[in-house]
Amino acid sequence: QMQLVESGGGVVQPGGSLRLSCGASGFTFSRHDIHWLRQAPGKGLEWVAFIGYDGRKKRYADSVKGRFSISRDNSKDTLHLEMNSLRAEDTAVYYCAKNDPPDYWGQGTLVIVSS
Amino acid sequence: DIVMTQTPLSLPVTPGQPASISCKSSQSLLHSDGKTYLYWYLQRPGQPPQLLISELSNRFSGVPDRFSGSGAGTDFTLKISRVEAEDVGVYYCMQSIQRPPTFGQGTKVEIK
Repeated sequence: QMQLVESGGGVVQPGGSLRLSCGASGFTFSRHDIHWLRQAPGKGLEWVAFIGYDGRKKRYADSVKGRFSISRDNSKDTLHLEMNSLRAEDTAVYYCAKNDPPDYWGQGTLVIVSS
Repeated sequence: DIVMTQTPLSLPVTPGQPASISCKSSQSLLHSDGKTYLYWYLQRPGQPPQLLISELSNRFSGVPDRFSGSGAGTDFTLKISRVEAEDVGVYYCMQSIQRPPTFGQGTKVEIK
């Protein structure tokens, strides 16, 4: 059964850092592009970042460019999102989702940026 | 960025009756390859979004045939032929013809 499981969320102060992970199972992770998307509390969906199946192609939303970094380890079926210089407006549930466009999403992990 | 605008934002529905959601894009989503890069998602309460329709009108795996997508250029519609209780949630349209992919604001469908 296909699964994407996000982890690493929590409460962090403004200016702080957090590393999110997304573990995959039930499909050949190394063959699929992956996205990070987010949803602020009570709000709509926002695309955050993309990484190609082999890790060579990466794209970022303007709102996170220079602060967030996406990476993957295909030997461990794992995706990461390194988030630095966090701001209150980064508070959201963060989802990883496979394929382009996203066709299967994980359950998400909540990031709260607050002092 | 391409702006996606959905109407209505709230849609009370009666089970067994049809329902329709509109989505308009600020630029054409018709690519030179002939495909229209418009997608529909449903986010049920407490759940992540799930893909319903890809490339304008293709139902994703396992999606009931009461869901259909149509439209052209910049105007699109998601139709539910006969609403069921499990169809409640927020529906989003999304474009991917241009980076970054962008979403509509969402349409909340609830049972009357």
